[in-house]
Amino acid sequence: QLQVVESGGGVVQPGGSLRLSCAASGFTFSDYAIHWVRQAPGKGLEWVAVISSPEERQYYADSVKGRLTISRDNSKNTVYLQLNSLRPEDTAVYYCAKDLGWRRLSPVDYWGQGTLVTVSS
Amino acid sequence: DIVMTQSPDSLAVSLGERATITCKSSQIVLDSSNNGQSLSWYQHKPGQPPKLLIYWASTRHSGVPDRFTGSGSGTDFTLTISSLQPEDVAVYYCQQYYSPPFTFGQGTKLDIK
Repeated sequence: QLQVVESGGGVVQPGGSLRLSCAASGFTFSDYAIHWVRQAPGKGLEWVAVISSPEERQYYADSVKGRLTISRDNSKNTVYLQLNSLRPEDTAVYYCAKDLGWRRLSPVDYWGQGTLVTVSS
Repeated sequence: DIVMTQSPDSLAVSLGERATITCKSSQIVLDSSNNGQSLSWYQHKPGQPPKLLIYWASTRHSGVPDRFTGSGSGTDFTLTISSLQPEDVAVYYCQQYYSPPFTFGQGTKLDIK
């Protein structure tokens, strides 16, 4: 059964760092890109980042470029999102999501339940 | 970056009636490798992760009821729910996956009238 599970969320002070993890199972992990999408309280969905496979190309939203880094470890079926220089506006539920397409970038077809990141002093 | 603009922001439709949501992209999202429009639609209910409804502008994802139809090309796209059901109350988003960053529209909140 396909599963995507996020972890690592929590409360962090402005300027702080956090690393989110996304553990996947039930599919050939190394064949699919993985995305991160977030939703701030009361706001809409915001696409954050993607890492492709097998090339591991990384793309980011302008709002997070230079502060967030996406990476993957195919031996552990896990994607990471390193969040640095956090701002209050980064407060959101962060969803990890599997790409629909085999070895290409396309929409996401399966989402985790999300992990909440709160940036507050 | 490609800007996605949905209309309306909110919509109330009677049960059994048609609901139509439009999405406009700031540039063409045609994938020339397969002649597909790189546009998807998602349904998002509170407390749940979003759900993929439509991709390539008109391809229904597995398990999605056939009352959901996507259409459009160029820069103008539409999601139509032919006969609104109570379980369709949600926020709907379009997204382009033609060019990163893969931007979403602002969302359309759909309610029962």
